[in-house]
Amino acid sequence: DTAVSQTPKYLVTQMGNDKSIKCEQNLGHDTMYWYKQDSKKFLKIMFSYNNKELIINETVPNRFSPKSPDKAHLNLHINSLELGDSAVYFCASSLLDSGAGVGYTFGSGTRLTVV
Amino acid sequence: AQSVAQPEDQVNVAEGNPLTVKCTYSVSGNPYLFWYVQYPNRGLQFLLKYITGDNLVKGSYGFEAEFNKSQTSFHLKKPSALVSDSALYFCAVRDTGYQKVTFGTGTKLQVIP
Repeated sequence: DTAVSQTPKYLVTQMGNDKSIKCEQNLGHDTMYWYKQDSKKFLKIMFSYNNKELIINETVPNRFSPKSPDKAHLNLHINSLELGDSAVYFCASSLLDSGAGVGYTFGSGTRLTVV
Repeated sequence: AQSVAQPEDQVNVAEGNPLTVKCTYSVSGNPYLFWYVQYPNRGLQFLLKYITGDNLVKGSYGFEAEFNKSQTSFHLKKPSALVSDSALYFCAVRDTGYQKVTFGTGTKLQVIP
């Protein structure tokens, strides 16, 4: 199936731990994104990579570090997890917009709960 | 700077009635506008987009949206609501020449049988 897939789907961990979320897309897209959706369903961009190059880096604590080994993968590593990091994290992908106003394809999300 | 507003947290509509979910935007250039739908415990799904041309855009599942430049709006519409349309709807905007897409705060649509 062509898709954006994230693992794990659920992640429960203690404060202070370090965790990673993986994302892979097989759509042939060249741009990938991480979004955070909080408990009120607000969606906020965190990072975007185009062909392994960081192109969007919002004001995010530097405990969050994205890594893109190739254009089909964008992983998110989080150090020293805090209670406020609890949220649903969505990966998305698209072709870099060349004026076509491309839509994004989203993964199904990773629900992170920090206890 | 770009922003998008969805003034209604929730919209309730009876099954079979027309529905409208409101969205207004602000950009400095020309907008690319999008609607996405999120079902419970799922990622967002692309519904439709406006780039240029005809102000009425048709998308998936019978939804359409009307671009109104003078009112800076891009309301989502459907002539006859289905119970299965109940979900969270997000409007999004991207200013031309700018890579970031900004999402609205979402509107929960409840279709009542």
